[in-house]
Formats: sequence, C-alpha cells, structure tokens
Amino acid sequence: KAGVTQTPRYLIKTRGQQVTLSCSPISGHRSVSWYQQTPGQGLQFLFEYFSETQRNKGNFPGRFSGRQFSNSRSEMNVSTLELGDSALYLCASSLMRGDKKETQYFGPGTRLLVL
Amino acid sequence: DAKTTQPNSMESNEEEPVHLPCNHSTISGTDYIHWYRQLPSQGPEYVIHGLTSNVNNRMASLAIAEDRKSSTLILHRATLRDAAVYYCILRSRGGSEKLVFGKGTKLTVNP
Repeated sequence: KAGVTQTPRYLIKTRGQQVTLSCSPISGHRSVSWYQQTPGQGLQFLFEYFSETQRNKGNFPGRFSGRQFSNSRSEMNVSTLELGDSALYLCASSLMRGDKKETQYFGPGTRLLVL
Repeated sequence: DAKTTQPNSMESNEEEPVHLPCNHSTISGTDYIHWYRQLPSQGPEYVIHGLTSNVNNRMASLAIAEDRKSSTLILHRATLRDAAVYYCILRSRGGSEKLVFGKGTKLTVNP
C-alpha cells in the first residue's frame, strides 16, 4: 500500500504570493491532518479534515486554509505569504477519527521557502 | 491536552539498549501514550502506543509505570538508523484528533 504522498516536495515563493500544497492519504484513510514544523516552534497542528469537513483548527491566522475532496485528498493554501511561513508542512492521514488508539501516518512533507 | 516532559537529548552506542523516559504526571485514566519518531529529513513515524500494560512490537517496547505518570520507550539494540527525535504524546478520549508534539528527545547513536 502506498504511503502518504505530498506534492511538491520543495517550493520557493516570494512574500505576498500564495501557495497550494497537496496531500494524498493512504488508500482508505479518511482523516487528513496538516502540521507546520519550524526550528523555533517545532511541530504545530494546523487543521484536520474528515469527510470533506474541517473538524479542527489550530491557532493559525486565516491566511492558512484547506479543503478535502471526496476521494479524501487534501490541499492546504497559504495566501499573502510572509517570511515566517517558511517551514516544513506535513500531512498525516488516519483510517478513522475518534479512536485514540488510531495511528497517524505522515508524509515526507513539503519544504516551503519564502524569500 | 495533558503535557509530557522528555530530556532534550540522549546518547547511545550502537547495538546497546536505549531507554527513553517520558513523564506525564497529569495523565488521565483514559489517555493513551503514543510514541513517534522523526528521522532526519523525514516526517514523523509511529513507533508504539499503550494504555496501561507494557507493549512490545517489532520496533520497540513500551514500559508504563504502575501509576501511569511515566513511561519508557525501550530500543533493545540501537542501530545508526535509530538516530532521530523521539516524541512522547498523550491522546485523550474525547479530545481532538491533533497530535500535540513537545520538543522530544534527540537520540544520537554512536558507531
């Protein structure tokens, strides 16, 4: 079974631009979560989607948004990029939600550099 | 979400056992203890989880204290590939799906 895939793997943008990152979960997985990782703040939760609905959102500004499609693939969008948005963006998928035994499977991440 | 405390770093020699501690004194009775690790330039990967009893899988063992206020991840024979940041995370019943990552423990394995 293929793992979680994220595209693109690397991205360079300039301040003010917007960016869209894509995540394909493991086949059959319905829950997709996004995380941001920076050297200063570590791994921080962005949002979680299940059945095309955002179920949870972390403490990030409205410039960060996402969506999930009927095939469980997910995209996240960052508008009006700032230098501080440079980070590794990680996507994780899990089979279900609500089960605290459930494992999350992470993709390799998209490394975004904002100049 | 209940908080966990881990040492910032630990060092081990190859082929020796490694015991990675985690304190979670505010754990509630229904919180699961999960461990993930992140190898360099990769996303985190699941290692093991448990509730009350000690657990073993092909990657590691998890020893949970009787009062559940602490746990220890045990790598029986460390390899160079085990060099990573190890995160101890509590997952609460009824809580959100998000994983709350602390700083973790950076494990260095010496050849």
